[in-house]
Parts: sequence; C-alpha cells; structure tokens
Amino acid sequence: GENVEQHPSTLSVQEGDSAVIKCTYSDSASNYFPWYKQELGKRPQLIIDIRSNVGEKKDQRIAVTLNKTAKHFSLHITETQPEDSAVYFCAALGGSYIPTFGRGTSLIVHP
Amino acid sequence: GAVVSQHPSRVICKSGTSVKIECRSLDFQATTMFWYRQFPKQSLMLMATSNEGSKATYEQGVEKDKFLINHASLTLSTLTVTSAHPEDSSFYICSASGGVGDQPQHFGDGTRLSIL
Repeated sequence: GENVEQHPSTLSVQEGDSAVIKCTYSDSASNYFPWYKQELGKRPQLIIDIRSNVGEKKDQRIAVTLNKTAKHFSLHITETQPEDSAVYFCAALGGSYIPTFGRGTSLIVHP
Repeated sequence: GAVVSQHPSRVICKSGTSVKIECRSLDFQATTMFWYRQFPKQSLMLMATSNEGSKATYEQGVEKDKFLINHASLTLSTLTVTSAHPEDSSFYICSASGGVGDQPQHFGDGTRLSIL
C-alpha cells in the first residue's frame, strides 16, 4: 500500500518568514495530493490540493509543488502569520481511492 | 458547500455503554465515508471505509464487532462503539467524499469520546 512520509514534525518560524513542509510517497499510481490544516480540537480543513497533471499550484500565500519523478510534494507558506499556527497534514490518493495521511507537522509562528 | 455534520461533539459515559456517532453530508451525496481515530498530537488513523449500501471495509487491527459502521444512505453513516471501555477514549472524526476517485475529503467536527 501507499506510504507517506512527512517532514519536519515540528516547524518554528518567525512571523513573516516562509515555511516549507515536505512529503514523499511510495505508490507511483497516486495522482491526487491534498493538504489539510488542523487547529487544536477542530476538524482538518482542506487548504490546497494538486493533481498529478500539474507541477505547481498557488493560492495567495500558499503554494504546493509536485515532483512525480521523485515522488515528493511540498507545501510552501509565505509571509507567515500567527494564525497560520496549526498542524498540517499531507495526503496521497491513488488507485485505491483511500487517502494515506502523513504524520503531520506542527507549525508554530512566533509574533 | 461540502459540509459534513458530525454528532455528538462530545460524549462522556460509563464503561460498558454503547455510543453511536452520526456523520451526515448536508449538501452533497457521499459515496464514500471514512472513519478516523486521532490520538493527541498524532495523525489521523483510518479505522474503516464505508460505502453506501455495502459492508464497511475495516483496517487491519480494527475490531469489526467493536466498531459497528452503518452507511444506510448517501448522506448518513454511523459509527457505534459497542461496550466502550476507557481505552476507547479518543477523538473520532468522519469524512465524506462526494465522488469516486481523486476527490477531496470533507471532515466532520469530530467527537471527543471519554469513557469513565
């Protein structure tokens, strides 16, 4: 089955800095890669996703890149703000249509 | 759009009680629903995949008789924790997907289950 590795587990940045979270996957059949943000005690919320037919997608301060050859994808947050502090999960979906989640990255943005 | 409602949000009950958690897709038909368990500061652990009108597919290590899943309609799936014990205490979250394949999942608010 699919295996998704996510790094780092914790990321601490100063307000205004950029943050990058990286994920790798094992199943070459995976073709959909969503990213979720989960604030403490709340539901995970989809913040951006990318499909295998594109290499990059951007939405304001958030961007995701995908390298299918290397089987890795990354989340980039620019001009971080304290409200960006949360746990971020990457996921990969392939032929089984069952998502596999990474272990999560706790992002802390210091004012 | 794509709202998933999960109830109850919190349950506190005695050991031995059975607890039912509901997951509803409010504005779309959910072909597939997923049930997760999440421990503090950990990732989402998939328990089972629920498809409307068929038996749920459970992940390895998840007891079918302990965690009963019913997906009777395209908008409702239920998880019943039977004869709950303190070790079943956890945060349970459902999610729903509107189609087959590479569709985003929409999560419920989760249920905090505490067994005394």
